Amino acid sequence: DTGVSQDPRHKITKRGQNVTFRCDPISEHNRLYWYRQTLGQGPEFLTYFQNEAQLEKSRLLSDRFSAERPKGSFSTLEIQRTEQGDSAMYLCASSLSGTGPYGYTFGSGTRLTVV
Amino acid sequence: DQQVKQNSPSLSVQEGRISILNCDYTNSMFDYFLWYKKYPAEGPTFLISISSIKDKNEDGRFTVFLNKSAKHLSLHIVPSQPGDSAVYFCAGEETSYDKVIFGPGTSLSVIP
Repeated sequence: DTGVSQDPRHKITKRGQNVTFRCDPISEHNRLYWYRQTLGQGPEFLTYFQNEAQLEKSRLLSDRFSAERPKGSFSTLEIQRTEQGDSAMYLCASSLSGTGPYGYTFGSGTRLTVV
Repeated sequence: DQQVKQNSPSLSVQEGRISILNCDYTNSMFDYFLWYKKYPAEGPTFLISISSIKDKNEDGRFTVFLNKSAKHLSLHIVPSQPGDSAVYFCAGEETSYDKVIFGPGTSLSVIP
């Protein structure tokens, strides 16, 4: 297992376009998290899944954002009608429930630039 | 509402000396506090944590101190090494909500 994989690493898109990111967690991890990080800030929580169920969504996640985790494996994060304010690093993390606070493993992120 | 604050955006330390990174929090419901380390172009990696019922946790060169009455914690790195140069995020977790809240980070530079 090579850890948490995110694809693509970089994405440049024009304002108004839709984009989709993918995250492949560590295979035995049942929890998957999406965070967003902007310049000079720490990662901000967006949403998380336990298996295929989306358990919580931040108010940061407007209705232009949607996340899925079909079959409790990989996850996708889609942003519709992108805006310049969506430019950020989107981080995915996975963990195994019950492993306490040590268990988050982050991917390297997808850097989105909206022009 | 920033629940975790790191008021020093950057810190420079000589190799071999002590690095002290500070963190303040407002949420008294955090059960754990964590430090993550991030190198450029990589995701954050877990470094060390402390339970809210403890006041100190040590792991090799890294020690975290917690002062609950002051809602303050600090990470000490002794001795500092050039490979420690990275951004350090302080974070808190409420286990009932099962998500980690991060501070804005402190960029540490260890000068050889």
